[in-house]
Amino acid sequence: DVVLTQTPPTLSATIGQSVSISCRSSQSLLHSNGNTYLNWLLQRPGQPPQLLIYLVSRLESGVPNRFSGSGSGTDFTLKISGVEAEDLGVYYCVQSTHALTFGSGTKLEIK
Amino acid sequence: EVQLVETGGGLVQPGRSLKLSCVASGFTFSSYWMYWIRQAPGKGLEWVSSINTDGGSTYYPDSVKGRFTISRDNAENTVYLQMNSLRSEDTATYYCANHDFDYWGQGVMVTVSS
Repeated sequence: DVVLTQTPPTLSATIGQSVSISCRSSQSLLHSNGNTYLNWLLQRPGQPPQLLIYLVSRLESGVPNRFSGSGSGTDFTLKISGVEAEDLGVYYCVQSTHALTFGSGTKLEIK
Repeated sequence: EVQLVETGGGLVQPGRSLKLSCVASGFTFSSYWMYWIRQAPGKGLEWVSSINTDGGSTYYPDSVKGRFTISRDNAENTVYLQMNSLRSEDTATYYCANHDFDYWGQGVMVTVSS
């Protein structure tokens, strides 16, 4: 089974600060069809998760462009360039190349 | 407007059964694989099951295999989760979502307790 290791588990940031979250997979997420099915989700308090980034780096419609994703193979990163107050919540990476696995989450707090 | 609405949750005793439903609207339901995903109180997200577009292929993690069954009715735009032999560790909020993760329900709470 694929294991996604997400770091850090918690992140404290000031408004306007840039932050990054890492997601490492126990095996390559490159599918035989050439796609890499690694997405990033944000779960705000009391809400279901929402999609931010799909296929590693593609921004979901309506998501601010301060969010960006990068990576390949087994190493992936979500970057927020200029944190805003509404960004607080728990961020999850999720892969669907091999069944479905979620990372353990990164809680973003605003200082 | 896209909507996924889960129903069927509640309090159930260990060993008993429960069936969840998720009704979709606002998108072409029959074109999407669907997932059930759960979240235990204060914990992270856990995959529960997947079903392909025509319902002919289903997938489960070991934690629920043999106890849970996913199915769908494309005519009714509904995906189901039949949960049997429930355990305390199945206590969670259960979400349905589409394969692209851009559509999620609000979730339904299932509590397994005597």
